[in-house]
Amino acid sequence: EVQLLESTGGLVQPGGSLRLSCAASGFTFSSYAMSWVRQAPGKGLEWVSALSPGGSPSYHADSVKGRFTVSRDNSKNTLYLQMDSLRADDTAVYYCARARESHAWIYSMDVWGRGTTVTVSS
Amino acid sequence: QSALTQPASVSGSPGQSITISCSGTTSDVGGYNYVSWYQQHPGKAPKLIIYDVSHRPSGVSNRFSGSKSGNTASLTISGLQAEDEAYYFCSSFTITSNPGVFGTGTKVTVL
Repeated sequence: EVQLLESTGGLVQPGGSLRLSCAASGFTFSSYAMSWVRQAPGKGLEWVSALSPGGSPSYHADSVKGRFTVSRDNSKNTLYLQMDSLRADDTAVYYCARARESHAWIYSMDVWGRGTTVTVSS
Repeated sequence: QSALTQPASVSGSPGQSITISCSGTTSDVGGYNYVSWYQQHPGKAPKLIIYDVSHRPSGVSNRFSGSKSGNTASLTISGLQAEDEAYYFCSSFTITSNPGVFGTGTKVTVL
């Protein structure tokens, strides 16, 4: 079964750091571009980061540029999101998602994790 | 990059058809055939229901269809069913930011 499983999020103080991971199974992880998408409470979806199959190039939304870093370890079938200098408006459910087509960029995402909640508060 | 514009809510009775619009610009919706639609039930992850403007993934009901005219994409749900009550988000590739942009979201209510 094709599956994505995010690590447990948590409560972080403003200015703090957290690393999320997303374990992939059931498909050839190294062939797919991957993304992180977040959803603040009661709000819409926001594309946070994206990463090509080989690990470069990567892209980040302006709202997280310079604070978040997306990476992957294809030998471990795992996607990561390092989040530094966290702010209250980073509070959201974070989803990892897979590009629909292998060896292509992320124009749509057909497999999603269940999401993990990150709360930034003192 | 501003979000694509969708109506906040759309409603219809069972069996009816409804259409959700997604308005963008020539830099995104109007310039590329990379519009997708996602269905999201409360507390659940989004589900891809349309990609590349009008294509349905395997397993998605043919009651869902997509189209595009100019800078506006549309999702039509025909034969509305109770299970279609959910939020719907469009997304598009955009030349102005990577990897793309989502719409503001539409709540569909089945009366």
